[in-house]
Amino acid sequence: KAGVTQTPRYLIKTRGQQVTLSCSPISGHRSVSWYQQTPGQGLQFLFEYFSETQRNKGNFPGRFSGRQFSNSRSEMNVSTLELGDSALYLCASSLERTITYEQYFGPGTRLTVT
Amino acid sequence: EDKVVQSPLSLVVHEGDTVTLNCSYEVTNFRSLLWYKQEKKAPTFLFMLTSSGIEKKSGRLSSILDKKELFSILNITATQTGDSAVYLCAVEAVGNQFYFGTGTSLTVIP
Repeated sequence: KAGVTQTPRYLIKTRGQQVTLSCSPISGHRSVSWYQQTPGQGLQFLFEYFSETQRNKGNFPGRFSGRQFSNSRSEMNVSTLELGDSALYLCASSLERTITYEQYFGPGTRLTVT
Repeated sequence: EDKVVQSPLSLVVHEGDTVTLNCSYEVTNFRSLLWYKQEKKAPTFLFMLTSSGIEKKSGRLSSILDKKELFSILNITATQTGDSAVYLCAVEAVGNQFYFGTGTSLTVIP
């Protein structure tokens, strides 16, 4: 079974631009979560989508948004990029919640804002 | 403010040593605590803990949760160089909200 895939793997943007990142979950997984990882802040939860609906959202400004399609693929959009948005953005997928909860992470998209 | 704190921030040990990594948390509506191992790629799931006092074990790794004192430990016995990684602790709150610690960087020297 193929793992979680994210595209692109690397991205360089300038301040003020916007960016869209894509995540394809493991086949059969309906939950997709997005995280931002930076050296200073660690791994921070952005939001989670399940069956095309945002189920939960972390403490990030409205510049960060996302959506999920009917095939469970998800996109994350960041508008008006700031230097502090430079980070590794990780996507994780999981089956519908069970007791033995596991998230499978993708390789991430490394975003650099100059 | 909900938070997860891991200690130590970094650790260097020799092969064969036993290490204990700590994770304390202050999270309202606690649901579960999870441990991940992160090497140069994305984090991989290790354990999920929901009940106090019940040890989860997988090979040389084990973990336990204390919900009264709000902490968890991850033990690694007979460490190997392949254990070198950042170990992340995360707490899930009701509503599927996750809070991660900044991780403990473990380096195992041959």
